[in-house]
Amino acid sequence: GQNIDQPTEMTATEGAIVQINCTYQTSGFNGLFWYQQHAGEAPTFLSYNVLDGLEEKGRFSSFLSRSKGYSYLLLKELQMKDSASYLCAVMDSNYQLIWGAGTKLIIKP
Amino acid sequence: DGGITQSPKYLFRKEGQNVTLSCEQNLNHDAMYWYRQDPGQGLRLIYYSQIVNDFQKGDIAEGYSVSREKKESFPLTVTSAQKNPTAFYLCASSTGDYNEQFFGPGTRLTVL
Repeated sequence: GQNIDQPTEMTATEGAIVQINCTYQTSGFNGLFWYQQHAGEAPTFLSYNVLDGLEEKGRFSSFLSRSKGYSYLLLKELQMKDSASYLCAVMDSNYQLIWGAGTKLIIKP
Repeated sequence: DGGITQSPKYLFRKEGQNVTLSCEQNLNHDAMYWYRQDPGQGLRLIYYSQIVNDFQKGDIAEGYSVSREKKESFPLTVTSAQKNPTAFYLCASSTGDYNEQFFGPGTRLTVL
């Protein structure tokens, strides 16, 4: 079966750095997406990785290793507004997104 | 401004009643999707449509129906056959297979 694993919840301090991991086992791979979702709101797109390596976009970076079935989202200089759930999703061989359950990130002052 | 709208944001229905959730987009996207989100679970695909007048079942289509008569609109009907319809429903659209999906604000359906 297809499976996406990410930690249920993480806590970090304002101004610090946090890394959210995602491991996956899917039938085929056509890219990995990270989304941010504030409580009760729609997910918003953060990043897309299809090749191995690190993609940096401001305070957020995303890394992919296809051979290990592994990705992480790195958030730097954490702000209180970064408190949200972070969703990892893999596009499989049928171009369908398989979603993880999300990681709830709690930022403390 | 371009975007996706869903209405209403909150919806209450009695058990046994059908209910239709609206989804409209003015992004000129070909593909549209319906997901269901439950606490502690990933988004699950209900139905998707890649072109007008065509749609495919997702992983959990039982008890749901859709139509795609216009490019801009992709309404979802939750029928009385859906065993556990209380959930947060999200509509999304994209320009194509490889591209990110843009989400509407969601509709929280509660069946009493």
